[in-house]
Amino acid sequence: DAKTTQPPSMDCAEGRAANLPCNHSTISGNEYVYWYRQIHSQGPQYIIHGLKNNETNEMASLIITEDRKSSTLILPHATLRDTAVYYCIVSVDASGSRLTFGEGTQLTVNP
Amino acid sequence: DTAVSQTPKYLVTQMGNDKSIKCEQNLGHDTMYWYKQDSKKFLKIMFSYNNKELIINETVPNRFSPKSPDKAHLNLHINSLELGDSAVYFCASSLPWGGRDEQFFGPGTRLTVL
Repeated sequence: DAKTTQPPSMDCAEGRAANLPCNHSTISGNEYVYWYRQIHSQGPQYIIHGLKNNETNEMASLIITEDRKSSTLILPHATLRDTAVYYCIVSVDASGSRLTFGEGTQLTVNP
Repeated sequence: DTAVSQTPKYLVTQMGNDKSIKCEQNLGHDTMYWYKQDSKKFLKIMFSYNNKELIINETVPNRFSPKSPDKAHLNLHINSLELGDSAVYFCASSLPWGGRDEQFFGPGTRLTVL
């Protein structure tokens, strides 16, 4: 199973871009990278996922390196409501339905 | 309209009791899950059902028994509750198994065993 490594915590100023890194050096060819976040005491919320191409949606952008060994989640204009724990997950099986959450990164957006 | 709902939100009970947590989704999804988040905040999958069929059954004590009466509901029954069962339990749902679609999580049920 591919394991992910994320910094335990990061800070970001409100209105600035938040760049959250994730290492997944043992990722295999058919495994996707997923990002979820969990705002305090709430259920996790899906953000974005990708295989090898960069992806963008209304919440964030996902940049995956060419060798797929790492990725970066970008929140272009962080707000106070983006303060949460962000989880980078590599799908454990080919279906992408079995997600294993690690420790994540606690992102704190400061005013 | 709540997409994935769980009841109750809080559950406090004594060791040895039997309790159930209910989950319902109104998204028309085929796949539902139960996750456990312990005091260290690690979120681990417990079970997954696809169209009422058990797909994932992680290493969970037999005291935990999921039941899916229809594809919109996945309940979790726990027998002989132990102190270590205290955690937040999250239900989730997604489109068909293997669709690589996002999982929608419920608000969680905080179980405290005294």
